[in-house]
Amino acid sequence: GQNIDQPTEMTATEGAIVQINCTYQTSGFNGLFWYQQHAGEAPTFLSYNVLDGLEEKGRFSSFLSRSKGYSYLLLKELQMKDSASYLCAVRAWQAGTALIFGKGTTLSVSS
Amino acid sequence: SQTIHQWPATLVQPVGSPLSLECTVEGTSNPNLYWYRQAAGRGLQLLFYSVGIGQISSEVPQNLSASRPQDRQFILSSKKLLLSDSGFYLCAWSQGNTGELFFGEGSRLTVL
Repeated sequence: GQNIDQPTEMTATEGAIVQINCTYQTSGFNGLFWYQQHAGEAPTFLSYNVLDGLEEKGRFSSFLSRSKGYSYLLLKELQMKDSASYLCAVRAWQAGTALIFGKGTTLSVSS
Repeated sequence: SQTIHQWPATLVQPVGSPLSLECTVEGTSNPNLYWYRQAAGRGLQLLFYSVGIGQISSEVPQNLSASRPQDRQFILSSKKLLLSDSGFYLCAWSQGNTGELFFGEGSRLTVL
């Protein structure tokens, strides 16, 4: 099976940079995804890593190290609207195309 | 462009009653389809996924079932709901072997 760990909660202030870590244990790794979920809403896709390294998309970046089973999501120039849950998810060959999600990290941004 | 819809958005059901949640995808063909449940403090749990009509994989043994009667339609059912079935149910779709998942708006179920 798969095991995905990420911190439960984090806090930060507007304009700051925050890094949300995710560690995973799985066989047949086939990609790591980050999603954002605002309270009461469906998750929305942020980023995808399948090879080692950094993927940058505007204020958000995601890093992957397959040998360490480790990823992080980096959020720069934080805004109040970034307050949300951030979900780390892994795709593994034995689960087909489905994603297995961690429990999520709730980020609170204050002014 | 592709869209996904699920309904109803909210429902309150008594213990022991049946359940039917529906999900449809538009603007694509032969999508992979998924049902997830999100209970308080437990994260997104994969319930079922389907790669084609009539092909259903179940990830968690429970009193729920899924069916895919048409290419872009995915239905989640139960004959008798339990209190533990309460949660936020999300339908999702993806394309191919590597695409990201796109989620519907979600259905919030409360079993009393």
